[in-house]
Amino acid sequence: ETGVTQTPRHLVMGMTNKKSLKCEQHLGHNAMYWYKQSAKKPLELMFVYSLEERVENNSVPSRFSPECPNSSHLFLHLHTLQPEDSALYLCASSQTRDSHYNEQFFGPGTRLTVL
Amino acid sequence: TQLLEQSPQFLSIQEGENLTVYCNSSSVFSSLQWYRQEPGEGPVLLVTVVTGGEVKKLKRLTFQFGDARKDSSLHITAAQPGDTGLYLCAGGGYQKVTFGTGTKLQVIP
Repeated sequence: ETGVTQTPRHLVMGMTNKKSLKCEQHLGHNAMYWYKQSAKKPLELMFVYSLEERVENNSVPSRFSPECPNSSHLFLHLHTLQPEDSALYLCASSQTRDSHYNEQFFGPGTRLTVL
Repeated sequence: TQLLEQSPQFLSIQEGENLTVYCNSSSVFSSLQWYRQEPGEGPVLLVTVVTGGEVKKLKRLTFQFGDARKDSSLHITAAQPGDTGLYLCAGGGYQKVTFGTGTKLQVIP
């Protein structure tokens, strides 16, 4: 495997379900990100991890809970979501967060539908 | 809050035509990146420009960073159906990246 992988690619869940999104990067990068992409909205940064430490949380509701067990893996745990949380969830990595460039390498995304 | 406005939002053109997409901000950025996102996939980095006035070419794509590092343009020559996708600019700063509003391009064969 190369680059950034995400599983599952598609997920349909009810509002009372608990599910997790998984991201893995094979690039040796030190920073990982979760983004939300909705129709007609710019890409929204949700969380940033640098060297496995959460360094940014952009006012994301507590029903989204990230976890970064090591520098290659990132999870997004979901519980009691709302229909408006339906979106494409993108994981990305960058070589480091301590840069003026922060070039992002994205996974293919998880298309989430909340019923 | 740094904002990056892209124009146009949507563009539908015939194969072989030329086009330019703009990315504008009132903020100065250390770098400017362009990404292309195809349906069902994540964005893919095309180029990074870092110096005011810098021009970079990638085959039929020409990227320019504004002199004041507040804006950028992407020009595509002789567009092909494979160029179809969502084009995103992103401004880079220390420990920050800000994505633009996006331009959806459709190239009709």
